[in-house]
Amino acid sequence: GAGVSQSPRYKVAKRGQDVALRCDPISGHVSLFWYQQALGQGPEFLTYFQNEAQLDKSGLPSDRFFAERPEGSVSTLKIQRTQQEDSAVYLCASSFGTGNIYTEAFFGQGTRLTVV
Amino acid sequence: GESVGLHLPTLSVQEGDNSIINCAYSNSASDYFIWYKQESGKGPQFIIDIRSNMDKRQGQRVTVLLNKTVKHLSLQIAATQPGDSAVYFCAENYNKLSFGAGTTVTVRA
Repeated sequence: GAGVSQSPRYKVAKRGQDVALRCDPISGHVSLFWYQQALGQGPEFLTYFQNEAQLDKSGLPSDRFFAERPEGSVSTLKIQRTQQEDSAVYLCASSFGTGNIYTEAFFGQGTRLTVV
Repeated sequence: GESVGLHLPTLSVQEGDNSIINCAYSNSASDYFIWYKQESGKGPQFIIDIRSNMDKRQGQRVTVLLNKTVKHLSLQIAATQPGDSAVYFCAENYNKLSFGAGTTVTVRA
């Protein structure tokens, strides 16, 4: 596609429910990032993939959060047993470069998760 | 705490005037910096970037200045337009992009 695509755009989950958020990066982009953005705050890093390898998951807030990118393209962020503090916009970004290679990261529009 | 921060959370500017948005960073090892613009309901949009071996970079109507001595970054927008109203984030790239809290720019007609 022309840009990074995320689905769904909006998700309402009951507390305790599991959710899965999808990210389709730009074709050919090696790097993929997930960020969490709380209302009125800047994006906070969650995890980073280089192709299918998850090289950094230091930002995942708990073991309820899990991300995968099995074929080095589409990625899924899964949150188990959702809690109200998980309510946020989840942003996905992709870039052609890897690691500290300086290339622009393109963001999707995000998935707004509301846990009730 | 956060390694990247902005000096002011809000900025109101008259249409046609120049805007200056400031950012302080604390990680002296960071070697690449990016300014993003985020409009309501959208993801961050790349504006301009600068490497640490540069102190100034210009784009279309935007200029980024980097002062490594005081670890300060600024974004200058010339002839601010209503479409420039958004939240602006600076981000530093050291293995991963780290964002500050953002500055909300409002353009007055």
